Amino acid sequence: GAGVSQSPSNKVTEKGKDVELRCDPISGHTALYWYRQRLGQGLEFLIYFQGNSAPDKSGLPSDRFSAERTGESVSTLTIQRTQQEDSAVYLCASSLLSYNEQFFGPGTRLTVL
Amino acid sequence: AQSVTQLGSHVSVSEGALVLLRCNYSSSVPPYLFWYVQYPNQGLQLLLKYTTGATLVKGINGFEAEFKKSETSFHLTKPSAHMSDAAEYFCAVSERGGGFKTIFGAGTRLFVKA
Repeated sequence: GAGVSQSPSNKVTEKGKDVELRCDPISGHTALYWYRQRLGQGLEFLIYFQGNSAPDKSGLPSDRFSAERTGESVSTLTIQRTQQEDSAVYLCASSLLSYNEQFFGPGTRLTVL
Repeated sequence: AQSVTQLGSHVSVSEGALVLLRCNYSSSVPPYLFWYVQYPNQGLQLLLKYTTGATLVKGINGFEAEFKKSETSFHLTKPSAHMSDAAEYFCAVSERGGGFKTIFGAGTRLFVKA
């Protein structure tokens, strides 16, 4: 079946612009995660959605970052007034239940000039 | 609260040598444990997982890991390293029960020397 998809695959933007990143999880997966991975570094947890519960936003680095999820389907991560330090690969993952193995999308590579 | 510690951000081994990547966790309840691998310029994929039952679990590409409750460890091993094993390895823990998120370790980059 279809895996996790993310769009766009690459995004180049100018400092100060807003960007929106999209994640389509595997159908039926109740949990959805966003991570940031800077070049050569590990996974930085950003936000976690589980079913209809309030999302865990504890990893969002600033109020310029926000995310939404429509039910148990698509999620969007929005970064407002982008800064150069936001440049990274943004990964989305979904899992059937919160504690199951995660399936990762290919990521969106964001470059802020 | 759960947490994961991976000892050593970089590990270098010779081809054919034993691979040992260390992972310790903390969890208030019996956890689910995972190892993920990220090959160069590729996405993350599951290497192996422990949920219940046998504490020694086998994964893809000859890797295995053993859950040791007394040591709160889940170290990853492979008897003989291949050049193709060079990658970033992430240990992760989830607490059993709905509503608990998965926490990843910082990762260990494995280098394999010819």
